[in-house]
Amino acid sequence: NAGVTQTPKFQVLKTGQSMTLQCAQDMNHEYMSWYRQDPGMGLRLIHYSVGAGITDQGEVPNGYNVSRSTTEDFPLRLLSAAPSQTSVYFCASSYDSNPSGNTIYFGEGSWLTVV
Amino acid sequence: KQEVTQIPAALSVPEGENLVLNCSFTDSAIYNLQWFRQDPGKGLTSLLLIQSSQREQTSGRLNASLDKSSGRSTLYIAASQPGDSATYLCAVCTGANSKLTFGKGITLSVRP
Repeated sequence: NAGVTQTPKFQVLKTGQSMTLQCAQDMNHEYMSWYRQDPGMGLRLIHYSVGAGITDQGEVPNGYNVSRSTTEDFPLRLLSAAPSQTSVYFCASSYDSNPSGNTIYFGEGSWLTVV
Repeated sequence: KQEVTQIPAALSVPEGENLVLNCSFTDSAIYNLQWFRQDPGKGLTSLLLIQSSQREQTSGRLNASLDKSSGRSTLYIAASQPGDSATYLCAVCTGANSKLTFGKGITLSVRP
């Protein structure tokens, strides 16, 4: 049981390049989300999904795109990378979006530097 | 807009000390509050989840309490150990779709 797997672990991009951060979970979770973590800012929600085919924006969605074609995968696409997108990105999943409480599982993070 | 505050940003204690980490939030209309642990270069690990109807949760040496009306939660760590050194984050769920608002975390160092 691998949990939440993110790839790549580290990536350096040039301004204007595009790339996709991959996230996969093997727990059959309905709810998946992407956060970014910046010094002094805490974690902020980028996009989330409550099930295959359903996505919605979080707090800081600009410059990012997501899709959810399967239950297992939730890739995050950077359309045209900017230095402001230099950050650590975390994918997370939980059984469903029931706000009463589900344990949330986080991936190990993807360190992205845009130069 | 929900805001979550954790003060101080860093804390250093000697091994064996009992300690309390504080978390405050501005909007009491929450579904749950969670405490996470983050080790350097790693993801977050869920420690305790307190539903809005609960007052506290316990797991081993950890005890988390919730006072919704005052917008406060505390994480109590008993008999601290060097292995407890990490960053502790609290997060509140205020959205119907399990959206979390995080504090900036408290970096704890337990000295042998």
